[in-house]
Amino acid sequence: DSGVTQTPKHLITATGQRVTLRCSPRSGDLSVYWYQQSLDQGLQFLIQYYNGEERAKGNILERFSAQQFPDLHSELNLSSLELGDSALYFCASSDLGSSDTQYFGPGTRLTVL
Amino acid sequence: GENVEQHPSTLSVQEGDSAVIKCTYSDSASNYFPWYKQELGKRPQLIIDIRSNVGEKKDQRIAVTLNKTAKHFSLHITETQPEDSAVYFCAASKGGGSNYKLTFGKGTLLTVNP
Repeated sequence: DSGVTQTPKHLITATGQRVTLRCSPRSGDLSVYWYQQSLDQGLQFLIQYYNGEERAKGNILERFSAQQFPDLHSELNLSSLELGDSALYFCASSDLGSSDTQYFGPGTRLTVL
Repeated sequence: GENVEQHPSTLSVQEGDSAVIKCTYSDSASNYFPWYKQELGKRPQLIIDIRSNVGEKKDQRIAVTLNKTAKHFSLHITETQPEDSAVYFCAASKGGGSNYKLTFGKGTLLTVNP
């Protein structure tokens, strides 16, 4: 158990819908990262937040957005869902004050039908 | 941006043999290189990492080597066991400025045959 939690574990929805994925980092970690894992694209970085502020953006679609709240949990919002958005979404956290090591949560499996 | 190439994509060994997975990276500013093990449907788990000021690091049966000049790093697993079977990912990060995003290789499916 990495100490990073994600909900829900599984999500099945239809095209065009909107979903929210939630992540709670390890206690004390200020930085949260979101990654998407699909069979064809592998593990891809989406976005990073540090202490409530966006710090880096990767290959994140405009239909996707994220935020980090004062209690440091983060949410990834996916809208106008397409079949190709079906993937595993992982959240990771790190304590940049002492280490850049990232610990991954269990992931949310999103299926778009 | 950074690009990480990983080889081989699949690797099959007999129990007790050694396994080696190799990665190359493109950005010479990268300075942190972790390796993750992922079992089917599970989260990536950090197994070992190395920073650019170190050439080699070992943890029991696992070792990682880094060649900064050639921009490649390798994972070595000795005395493999069936429970080592999983997908292994290498990654690279530049660090600095609170930006430590990881760029991953495509993964290596390791199968250890009893």
